[in-house]
Amino acid sequence: NSKVIQTPRYLVKGQGQKAKMRCIPEKGHPVVFWYQQNKNNEFKFLINFQNQEVLQQIDMTEKRFSAECPSNSPCSLEIQSSEAGDSALYLCASRGRREQYFGPGTRLTVL
Amino acid sequence: AQSVTQPDARVTVSEGASLQLRCKYSYFGTPYLFWYVQYPRQGLQLLLKYYPGDPVVQGVNGFEAEFSKSNSSFHLRKASVHWSDWAVYFCAVSIYNQGKLIFGQGTKLSIKP
Repeated sequence: NSKVIQTPRYLVKGQGQKAKMRCIPEKGHPVVFWYQQNKNNEFKFLINFQNQEVLQQIDMTEKRFSAECPSNSPCSLEIQSSEAGDSALYLCASRGRREQYFGPGTRLTVL
Repeated sequence: AQSVTQPDARVTVSEGASLQLRCKYSYFGTPYLFWYVQYPRQGLQLLLKYYPGDPVVQGVNGFEAEFSKSNSSFHLRKASVHWSDWAVYFCAVSIYNQGKLIFGQGTKLSIKP
């Protein structure tokens, strides 16, 4: 069973508001991933980190999404100005040998 | 481009019956493949993983999958399903030098009593 912790489980925001979610990866897993799962079960990779450094990220041209993974603190994903289309399940995963272990997700609803 | 296709959006089987969920992948080279299960209002749980080697891999709760390079497939099987298997199942491929997962569209499994 996964030991990835995500908070909060549910997040409700109005359009234009900030939305911030956090993730604590499994101990000893240096690589962390964020994915977005929409209501049609389509997954979008957002960003991943290794030891606080960004490895890869999507082209966040709108600059509304930001993420960080500071040392000795939870990783976080923040949406600066939420839009209705951001409503989704945000999943954090940490990687062991090659497989990824997922947290329960943060379900964001933007009203 | 790398992709994963799960051709069956929904599958319904009777409790105790056998199960096969299909997965086809498109990947240049030898893939790392995974099956995940998602129960209602939960995250993804790893069922099993394939790394190059034995084409039949065993997972948790009696699930197994068979890798076929010639068919570009990684089908999931279970000999006898239980009502607790009611969930959505996702097949995924790992992009080797990037690490991110590419997921299929998912197959929603329902169990008839």
